[in-house]
Amino acid sequence: DTAVSQTPKYLVTQMGNDKSIKCEQNLGHDTMYWYKQDSKKFLKIMFSYNNKELIINETVPNRFSPKSPDKAHLNLHINSLELGDSAVYFCASRDTQETQYFGPGTRLLVL
Amino acid sequence: DQQVKQNSPSLSVQEGRISILNCDYTNSMFDYFLWYKKYPAEGPTFLISISSIKDKNEDGRFTVFLNKSAKHLSLHIVPSQPGDSAVYFCAAAQYSGAGSYQLTFGKGTKLSVIP
Repeated sequence: DTAVSQTPKYLVTQMGNDKSIKCEQNLGHDTMYWYKQDSKKFLKIMFSYNNKELIINETVPNRFSPKSPDKAHLNLHINSLELGDSAVYFCASRDTQETQYFGPGTRLLVL
Repeated sequence: DQQVKQNSPSLSVQEGRISILNCDYTNSMFDYFLWYKKYPAEGPTFLISISSIKDKNEDGRFTVFLNKSAKHLSLHIVPSQPGDSAVYFCAAAQYSGAGSYQLTFGKGTKLSVIP
């Protein structure tokens, strides 16, 4: 019974393609996040959703769009993939004690 | 501009000894701090946290110390075990409005516990 799950775990695709990464949490949390870990290993926040409302949107290209069909899901859609999008993307959800729980990550490689 | 810095990329410690991981921050508006542990090919897992109004929090073998005046925190693991070998991320939380906190992560320190 995985708390925060992501699919796929690995994603290899060509430049210019559109892809989606799915995230689901079964913890009943209200807030979910997407992070990007780049080649320098920094974890940087991209988006967060609270009760289906986008409340943080860092300086992320508009090719990236989060979509939340319900409180338990926050999917990340990426249009026109670029080489620099290659990274590990982590989904997380937050409890009322402000602790964030992370998914296993999706390793995206753009060729 | 890194607001959260972990200046040691790696640390090696003998099994049974104390591991001390350090973290410095620049933003005095951070409300609380967390440590996450990460194994290869897995997501970070929460380890321990501390509020900015406290100077120490202990949970089993893990203790986090906060020195607000120095903007410094440290994670102590004692005794260290081989299973503790992982990358440890320091994170700082700041209220970002609408009931949400934003985490800023350090670059991580890779801990190796030698049997």
